[in-house]
Amino acid sequence: KNEVEQSPQNLTAQEGEFITINCSYSVGISALHWLQQHPGGGIVSLFMLSSGKKKHGRLIATINIQEKHSSLHITASHPRDSAVYICAVDNMDSNYQLIWGAGTKLIIKP
Amino acid sequence: GAVVSQHPSWVICKSGTSVKIECRSLDFQATTMFWYRQFPKQSLMLMATSNEGSKATYEQGVEKDKFLINHASLTLSTLTVTSAHPEDSSFYICSASTHRVDTQYFGPGTRLTVL
Repeated sequence: KNEVEQSPQNLTAQEGEFITINCSYSVGISALHWLQQHPGGGIVSLFMLSSGKKKHGRLIATINIQEKHSSLHITASHPRDSAVYICAVDNMDSNYQLIWGAGTKLIIKP
Repeated sequence: GAVVSQHPSWVICKSGTSVKIECRSLDFQATTMFWYRQFPKQSLMLMATSNEGSKATYEQGVEKDKFLINHASLTLSTLTVTSAHPEDSSFYICSASTHRVDTQYFGPGTRLTVL
């Protein structure tokens, strides 16, 4: 079992839909990262969370430390949101080495 | 699935020395590799993008002479931190992609501590 699991792996939705991407982890962490990668590009860091909830524009990230679960939400999705979204955790048990989720490929259709 | 390894996983060095970090794609040919760095308790920062056989493209603010990147083969890219100083202490992560550039595979990272 992977230490960081993301779901779904692929998601296709219509413009305007509310999007949720989930991340579960099984190790002790100091922080969880949500990152975005557009085709052909490098990674953009969206959020770094250690507790609670953060919001930036149409993006919302939440984390539940007790349940070892985080979600990334996109409101009023737009085709430009199409990208791969990646969850990664700072593993406290391994010198804070990053453990990466497999990523969720999101396609928003106009 | 595709595997990317990094070596070493952690390194401690004295100020003024140079450190080389290797990033290898183990079971696929990586036409493009990315190098990132993460300061403690901060998010990732893209340092540079390298394509096999050509010079790396550095992000603004990243010193080319300080962080030497070589992508000499389709399975290996190296990052050399030259004349390292304590402020270079960080977590360095590489990722690799094939011609299908919408998929990146990440290395586990290298933690560098400069004394």
